[in-house]
Amino acid sequence: GEDVEQSLFLSVREGDSSVINCTYTDSSSTYLYWYKQEPGAGLQLLTYIFSNMDMKQDQRLTVLLNKKDKHLSLRIADTQTGDSAIYFCAESDNAGNNRKLIWGLGTSLAVNP
Amino acid sequence: DVKVTQSSRYLVKRTGEKVFLECVQDMDHENMFWYRQDPGLGLRLIYFSYDVKMKEKGDIPEGYSVSREKKERFSLILESASTNQTSMYLCASRSRAPSSYEQYFGPGTRLTVT
Repeated sequence: GEDVEQSLFLSVREGDSSVINCTYTDSSSTYLYWYKQEPGAGLQLLTYIFSNMDMKQDQRLTVLLNKKDKHLSLRIADTQTGDSAIYFCAESDNAGNNRKLIWGLGTSLAVNP
Repeated sequence: DVKVTQSSRYLVKRTGEKVFLECVQDMDHENMFWYRQDPGLGLRLIYFSYDVKMKEKGDIPEGYSVSREKKERFSLILESASTNQTSMYLCASRSRAPSSYEQYFGPGTRLTVT
């Protein structure tokens, strides 16, 4: 079945760039997503990329999609302590209804001052 | 502003109790979801609903049921709570429109079953 994998932890220093990686298995996914969960809160959509795109940039965020390798990455430039959170990668399912998402386990990003 | 609300942020129940978790969205979304989130296991889909009175099982429906009598409200029911249902429960909603891509989440309910 479909699967999304990502590393569980990442630690960076404030001001450095963070790169969170994700691999997925379903090549027919329409959208791929990055969600952010701050401590004690629900998830919030951070950014997404349509499957026919290779890159998307939004202020400090850069999403790269390598469809051949089924690899998605999220780069956060000039990482701040407020970026400390869990980041979830997700892909839309391939059942044709696009209603469900397949989730990774989340990468916990720790930003050290 | 888009809003998904959940009836409680924290809930403590005893084993065997019947538990209701309520979720309300104000965006007129057709699709609603219940997840549970546990450390090391990520988000797991319990049930989802794609219309009023319609529901489908997710990946871990055992021990749970749901109710969707009105479009804006999706309830998760634990018929007889057990300690292994101690978890964070997240509700989400999404429009069915093909151009819609985002699931909107509520703040979560942390349920402890003692």
